[in-house]
Amino acid sequence: RKEVEQDPGPFNVPEGATVAFNCTYSNSASQSFFWYRQDCRKEPKLLMSVYSSGNEDGRFTAQLNRASQYISLLIRDSKLSDSATYLCVVNKEYGNKLVFGAGTILRVKS
Amino acid sequence: DAGVIQSPRHEVTEMGQEVTLRCKPISGHNSLFWYRQTMMRGLELLIYFNNNVPIDDSGMPEDRFSAKMPNASFSTLKIQPSEPRDSAVYFCASSLTLASVTNRRSYNEQFFGPGTRLTVL
Repeated sequence: RKEVEQDPGPFNVPEGATVAFNCTYSNSASQSFFWYRQDCRKEPKLLMSVYSSGNEDGRFTAQLNRASQYISLLIRDSKLSDSATYLCVVNKEYGNKLVFGAGTILRVKS
Repeated sequence: DAGVIQSPRHEVTEMGQEVTLRCKPISGHNSLFWYRQTMMRGLELLIYFNNNVPIDDSGMPEDRFSAKMPNASFSTLKIQPSEPRDSAVYFCASSLTLASVTNRRSYNEQFFGPGTRLTVL
């Protein structure tokens, strides 16, 4: 079983739609959680951290369920510029070692 | 501000040749990471350094791969001899690691360089 699992998609949605991505992780000792975004042929960039209480950044909302070892990302009012691969990332333990999911492809179409 | 700098951006070489990838982390960052990304395996951590010291190299595929960080502003990843299955995008990332883990800031955000696209023929 992979340490971080995501639905690879692609998710094809129209502009303005709401789309949600899910991710599960296997290590219950994981401490920190993130969503990174990667555009085609570019480097990954941090989109947002994920906190136990849930957090929101504009059109983006991230949720963490430690009991179920489950992370989600909700994007409201999708824009064409949201088209990218979204990587679920887990910090295995205190320290620096991040484990990346394979990514979920989002395509927003006009 | 300059981000993480990697060179070369593209490298095409023949099997058996030595390949050296270079990275300059963001000034002031104390952790440096080398990743490899392929379609089949996704983004994999190869090795990471903290304060120029290798902390975890468990992701290094085999003895053909080696990495060094002689100072805080430079690191290399070397493959010798290279093989076609080494073809991938190699990313370098850096971060500022703080001792405290009690706050909720993304203290260990990793900033990635643009990557080196390696093709071994």
